Amino acid sequence: AQTVTQSQPEMSVQEAETVTLSCTYDTSESDYYLFWYKQPPSRQMILVIRQEAYKQQNATENRFSVNFQKAAKSFSLKISDSQLGDAAMYFCAYYDMRFGAGTRLTVKP
Amino acid sequence: DGGITQSPKYLFRKEGQNVTLSCEQNLNHDAMYWYRQDPGQGLRLIYYSQIVNDFQKGDIAEGYSVSREKKESFPLTVTSAQKNPTAFYLCATTAGRGPQHFGDGTRLSIL
Repeated sequence: AQTVTQSQPEMSVQEAETVTLSCTYDTSESDYYLFWYKQPPSRQMILVIRQEAYKQQNATENRFSVNFQKAAKSFSLKISDSQLGDAAMYFCAYYDMRFGAGTRLTVKP
Repeated sequence: DGGITQSPKYLFRKEGQNVTLSCEQNLNHDAMYWYRQDPGQGLRLIYYSQIVNDFQKGDIAEGYSVSREKKESFPLTVTSAQKNPTAFYLCATTAGRGPQHFGDGTRLSIL
């Protein structure tokens, strides 16, 4: 089974600064999808960004971007110009429904 | 609107009682999933179903049961064998290799 590892239980960033959340995964597949989800205190799961493994270009969605290193099986999330509303749990996920343990992001005003 | 409906939002279970959590979707997705989330923790897979009348155990299936008689519905029963059922339960669906769509969750507590 594929495993997803998030090694940072908690991260903190100053408002307007940039933060990077780490994720590594294990797979023997060559074609797959990876996702980052945000879970605010409401506990609703919100898709932040997706990456298709066959695409070499890193995905970007406004202030959110990924650094996808396929050979290293690494999939980090960069949040630029952090806002107070970015404070949440962030989960990295492999397309077959496996999730990492999550990183709690705190944004300091 | 297309989406996933979980009910009830809050549920209380007495000792020795079975309770059933509802998950209904109108997204026409084949695959459906149940996750358990404990406070401050990640999502753990309980059961999943990729087609009607078929389902597979996830990582923590003991004490839980499911059925998939209709494409739209994937109810989860928390049985009395589940000794620590207090948690937040999330239902999700997916189409192919796309992202998962989630319901708003059910919070289960013990009376």
